Amino acid sequence: QKEVEQNSGPLSVPEGAIASLNCTYSDRGSQSFFWYRQYSGKSPELIMFIYSNGDKEDGRFTAQLNKASQYVSLLIRDSQPSDSATYLCAVSKAFSGSARQLTFGSGTQLTVLP
Amino acid sequence: DTGVSQNPRHKITKRGQNVTFRCDPISEHNRLYWYRQTLGQGPEFLTYFQNEAQLEKSRLLSDRFSAERPKGSFSTLEIQRTEQGDSAMYLCASSKDIDYEQYFGPGTRLTVT
Repeated sequence: QKEVEQNSGPLSVPEGAIASLNCTYSDRGSQSFFWYRQYSGKSPELIMFIYSNGDKEDGRFTAQLNKASQYVSLLIRDSQPSDSATYLCAVSKAFSGSARQLTFGSGTQLTVLP
Repeated sequence: DTGVSQNPRHKITKRGQNVTFRCDPISEHNRLYWYRQTLGQGPEFLTYFQNEAQLEKSRLLSDRFSAERPKGSFSTLEIQRTEQGDSAMYLCASSKDIDYEQYFGPGTRLTVT
């Protein structure tokens, strides 16, 4: 079982719709959760992070965390063609020295159709 | 704040050669991370520095890989005796001491022929 699992997609949504991206993780010691967006050939770009159970909203993006279910999701409202990218879910847990290294899923490829 | 920078952006080398990459973190970020990403996969952690101290190394980091961060500023990642399996994007990220968010540089794409 992978530590962080995401549906690879591709996920296609029409412009203006809500895109829902899901992620599950296996280690209950995970403490911090991140969503990165990665355009083809580019490096990951941080778009959201969440530490506590519940919802966190930032503009068109909402991150949802449920630690009991070991589940984190990202909702993108009013999806735009420019949102077409691979979305990476990442989790971190404290090791000795608090390295906070990130463990990534393989990403979900999102396509927003005009 | 100019962001994380990495050089070179692309490197093509022949199998068996040594290569070195450089990462300049965001100024005042004292934590620096190296990751490796292959096609279709998420980045995989390689190693971590807090200031000049290398505090964590992944099992992925074979003895052909070495990383340094002299003076706690820029970092270098060296791969000796490169193999075709080393072909990947090498990503550097940095974060502030009290914040957990990591910001990535543009990466160095290595191709070993």
